[in-house]
Amino acid sequence: GEDVEQSLFLSVREGDSSVINCTYTDSSSTYLYWYKQEPGAGLQLLTYIFSNMDMKQDQRLTVLLNKKDKHLSLRIADTQTGDSAIYFCAESIRGNTPLVFGKGTRLSVIA
Amino acid sequence: ETGVTQTPRHLVMGMTNKKSLKCEQHLGHNAMYWYKQSAKKPLELMFVYNFKEQTENNSVPSRFSPECPNSSHLFLHLHTLQPEDSALYLCASSQEASGSLTIGTDTQYFGPGTRLTVL
Repeated sequence: GEDVEQSLFLSVREGDSSVINCTYTDSSSTYLYWYKQEPGAGLQLLTYIFSNMDMKQDQRLTVLLNKKDKHLSLRIADTQTGDSAIYFCAESIRGNTPLVFGKGTRLSVIA
Repeated sequence: ETGVTQTPRHLVMGMTNKKSLKCEQHLGHNAMYWYKQSAKKPLELMFVYNFKEQTENNSVPSRFSPECPNSSHLFLHLHTLQPEDSALYLCASSQEASGSLTIGTDTQYFGPGTRLTVL
């Protein structure tokens, strides 16, 4: 079955790097996503990675994918207070299944 | 601005009221979704519509009634709700409802949500 797991909380100091981790179970995943949700708002698509890639970088964001271990991570460099939010990992599985979301990791940035 | 709008943004209703939530997408997508987000359950998929046909109903109580008159509009009709139904209701859309080899066809774009309080 499909399952996406994330740790629930992460706290970092402003200026440090944040690493948010995610594990998934379905080996037929095609795309993996990171969404950001700020307080009182909907989910905003941050970035995604295709399953045949192992890294994707976009400004301060670096996504690493270890397909063998079914492990996805999101690294935010030079974390700012505006990065405080809930980050959801999601996987796309080929077939008749919508995206499967994790429970979200709440990132708190301490000034 | 993601191209998905939801109205109202906030709603307070009594248990005997009937109200509707509206979602509209301007992205030319064919699939639309309703999610419930509460403190107890972070993100629960409620309904999926693909080309106006309901393809998924995750055991949602009948006091929630979805309607998809066309691919751009999705409604959630509410009646005789319970206080535990208070939550953030999120709408999303995607080009298609499921994954394929085509790049990102099931990538979901979310609206800002409706914060519902049931008294």
